Amino acid sequence: GNSVTQMEGPVTLSEEAFLTINCTYTATGYPSLFWYVQYPGEGLQLLLKATKADDKGSNKGFEATYRKETTSFHLEKGSVQVSDSAVYFCALSANSGYSTLTFGKGTMLLVSP
Amino acid sequence: EAEVAQSPRYKITEKSQAVAFWCDPISGHATLYWYRQILGQGPELLVQFQDESVVDDSQLPKDRFSAERLKGVDSTLKIQPAELGDSAMYLCASTPRAPGYEQYFGPGTRLTVT
Repeated sequence: GNSVTQMEGPVTLSEEAFLTINCTYTATGYPSLFWYVQYPGEGLQLLLKATKADDKGSNKGFEATYRKETTSFHLEKGSVQVSDSAVYFCALSANSGYSTLTFGKGTMLLVSP
Repeated sequence: EAEVAQSPRYKITEKSQAVAFWCDPISGHATLYWYRQILGQGPELLVQFQDESVVDDSQLPKDRFSAERLKGVDSTLKIQPAELGDSAMYLCASTPRAPGYEQYFGPGTRLTVT
């Protein structure tokens, strides 16, 4: 079956530091890959996505590249802000059928001033 | 911008009581999902609807949970009787019909069972 593995948190950084959150996946076929962000007490918001190998998703300074050879979709940002503190979820969806999302366990990011 | 609506946002109930959650997806979205998110974990699918039909409820504890989407628009998730282990965030999401589209999530209902 499909699965997603994320690095465990919390990840603690100072403002303006470089961020990497690792994500690897196991799936049959060629899934779409997503990063969602969840702020305290809120639902999930889509941060970025990639639908095929070598695609780069980007949004709000975050980016991730779909690497089929390493089955990875690592999230990066060059300079984090305090407002980026949240929980980040990597997820995949089959590109056929009914698009059920399979999530990783989430990685909490804490950014201090 | 259209959003997925959920209510209530917070619910506290006693063990063995019944509880219900409501979700109104983005207009025109054919597929609706209910997820359960235990604190510190990622969301896990409970049930998926395509229009008014259930297409996946393999992870729904059917002895106590039920879900319906009678007219293919809004949906209700019910728990009866609630157990302490049901304390979690219940998230609703919707997506257009085609596969591979991102899911749009509502704000969730935080359930606490005492």
